[in-house]
Amino acid sequence: KNEVEQSPQNLTAQEGEFITINCSYSVGISALHWLQQHPGGGIVSLFMLSSGKKKHGRLIATINIQEKHSSLHITASHPRDSAVYICAVRSRETSGSRLTFGEGTQLTVNP
Amino acid sequence: DTGVSQNPRHKITKRGQNVTFRCDPISEHNRLYWYRQTLGQGPEFLTYFQNEAQLEKSRLLSDRFSAERPKGSFSTLEIQRTEQGDSAMYLCASSFEFLAEAFFGQGTRLTVV
Repeated sequence: KNEVEQSPQNLTAQEGEFITINCSYSVGISALHWLQQHPGGGIVSLFMLSSGKKKHGRLIATINIQEKHSSLHITASHPRDSAVYICAVRSRETSGSRLTFGEGTQLTVNP
Repeated sequence: DTGVSQNPRHKITKRGQNVTFRCDPISEHNRLYWYRQTLGQGPEFLTYFQNEAQLEKSRLLSDRFSAERPKGSFSTLEIQRTEQGDSAMYLCASSFEFLAEAFFGQGTRLTVV
């Protein structure tokens, strides 16, 4: 079992829909990241969380440390949100602050 | 500073050849990470540097792989005697401190034919 599991693997939505991507992890963490990857490969950091909730524009990220679960929400989705969204954790059990990644959620938003 | 820069963006090589990739981190960042991502998967950790010291290497980093960061600034990742299984996106990331946010480069996509 992977240390970081994401669901769903693939998600197709209509423009304007509210989207939720989930991430569960099995290790103690010092931080959780939500990342966005567009075709071509570049990764952009959306959020870094260690507790609670963060909001940036139409994006909201929440984390429940006790349940080892995080969600990424996109409100009023738009075709330009189409990308792979990756959850990554910084485990307390590994040195060096390296990240362990989920497999990603491919989001497609249709106009 | 334009962020983390990786070169080349794409590399096609014949099996058995050696390849070298370069990563230029954000200038004040002392931590530099290499990750590998195969199609449809999340990135996997390869190795990381704190300044010029290589502090951790993954089991994924076979003897054919070597990474350096000679002056604690840019880093190179070399793959010797490439194999088709080495085809992947190689990502570099840097951060300033232990728990700081990591910034990623655009990656180098390697295709071994």
